[in-house]
Amino acid sequence: GQQVMQIPQYQHVQEGEDFTTYCNSSTTLSNIQWYKQRPGGHPVFLIQLVKSGEVKKQKRLTFQFGEAKKNSSLHITATQTTDVGTYFCAGKTSYDKVIFGPGTSLSVIP
Amino acid sequence: EAGVTQFPSHSVIEKGQTVTLRCDPISGHDNLYWYRRVMGKEIKFLLHFVKESKQDESGMPNNRFLAERTGGTYSTLKVQPAELEDSGVYFCASSQASGILAKNIQYFGAGTRLSVL
Repeated sequence: GQQVMQIPQYQHVQEGEDFTTYCNSSTTLSNIQWYKQRPGGHPVFLIQLVKSGEVKKQKRLTFQFGEAKKNSSLHITATQTTDVGTYFCAGKTSYDKVIFGPGTSLSVIP
Repeated sequence: EAGVTQFPSHSVIEKGQTVTLRCDPISGHDNLYWYRRVMGKEIKFLLHFVKESKQDESGMPNNRFLAERTGGTYSTLKVQPAELEDSGVYFCASSQASGILAKNIQYFGAGTRLSVL
């Protein structure tokens, strides 16, 4: 079946270091969304990427959608303790179905 | 604008009992989704309503799970009888009409943490 994978599963960084999580789909996606879940919280929408090769920035966060629309990445520059949480990618298939990746849990050491 | 609300926030039941979870989507959102996250693993899709109709229920684990959305407003997810492996956090999300990319953002509720003992 269709799968969305994310790596790494866990990442521990020193505050100020950069962080990247990668998302890969087994099939071509119509779009990809990124969500952040704080510890004990619920997923909160961050961004949606639609076009092949699209790059979007939100302050220290940079999101990229691959040319083949099968992979995506989220890069955080100079992490802060407020960045702690689990980052999920969610791919929308051609059948209008949203498949979540397993998430990358980010810990930031002050 | 009120967000997606879920009730209860936490439920503890014994194996074999019945539990009903409720989700109130954002007003005007036709799409309603149920997801489950077990033991810190991925968020797994359960089913998708468009108004009162089940658009996709391919993620429902078995016939012990029954979801309804009568009238196309709030939805309930009943688990009967509950088993130990049903424990997890059940999230509900809603979005406006699907197929319209700009409005396909899913807004999640806070979730219901179900513990089956």
